[in-house]
Amino acid sequence: NAGVTQTPKFQVLKTGQSMTLQCAQDMNHNSMYWYRQDPGMGLRLIYYSASEGTTDKGEVPNGYNVSRLNKREFSLRLESAAPSQTSVYFCASSETGATDTQYFGPGTRLTVL
Amino acid sequence: AQKITQTQPGMFVQEKEAVTLDCTYDTSDQSYGLFWYKQPSSGEMIFLIYQGSYDEQNATEGRYSLNFQKARKSANLVISASQLGDSAMYFCAMRDLRSGGYNKLIFGAGTRLAVHP
Repeated sequence: NAGVTQTPKFQVLKTGQSMTLQCAQDMNHNSMYWYRQDPGMGLRLIYYSASEGTTDKGEVPNGYNVSRLNKREFSLRLESAAPSQTSVYFCASSETGATDTQYFGPGTRLTVL
Repeated sequence: AQKITQTQPGMFVQEKEAVTLDCTYDTSDQSYGLFWYKQPSSGEMIFLIYQGSYDEQNATEGRYSLNFQKARKSANLVISASQLGDSAMYFCAMRDLRSGGYNKLIFGAGTRLAVHP
């Protein structure tokens, strides 16, 4: 099992460019999440998807869109990147159960110039 | 509003000694879950341990244990017999059950632990 995978690992964009961060999980989890982590801070939820076909906004959704392509894949899109979106982006997944523990991907380090 | 507070920005410990990382939380919910994650310098987030609000016993996972004091709203992580590989950032998090059953996590700012030989 690869767990949660993310691509790319690193990306540099210019202001105004667009890009899509990809995430896939092979644990057959229902729920998937996108977080961002800024220097010296914990993670903040951008969007989440409780199941295939559903998505909802988290704490910091502005400037992002998501797509739950199928049960395995959950992508995050930046339509017009801004320097304030420079961050490390983590995807996570969880199975609904007693603990609902979230398991994280390795992260994508994004720099917007 | 739900909140996680980690008051120790940095801690250090001698190898083979035990260390406690503090975490306090604020919630009006009766049912909640508390998590600890480790983030080494390589950047990934590694799940360590979970404590449910109704669990009567403190959670343990190998060298990790969670000192859960419900009345004080604290969920401190205890690492016994520290190893050099324990040097990392540690995050406390709480599950937000008000999100309609969705498993949203609220994170603290983290504590950086340095283990000295």
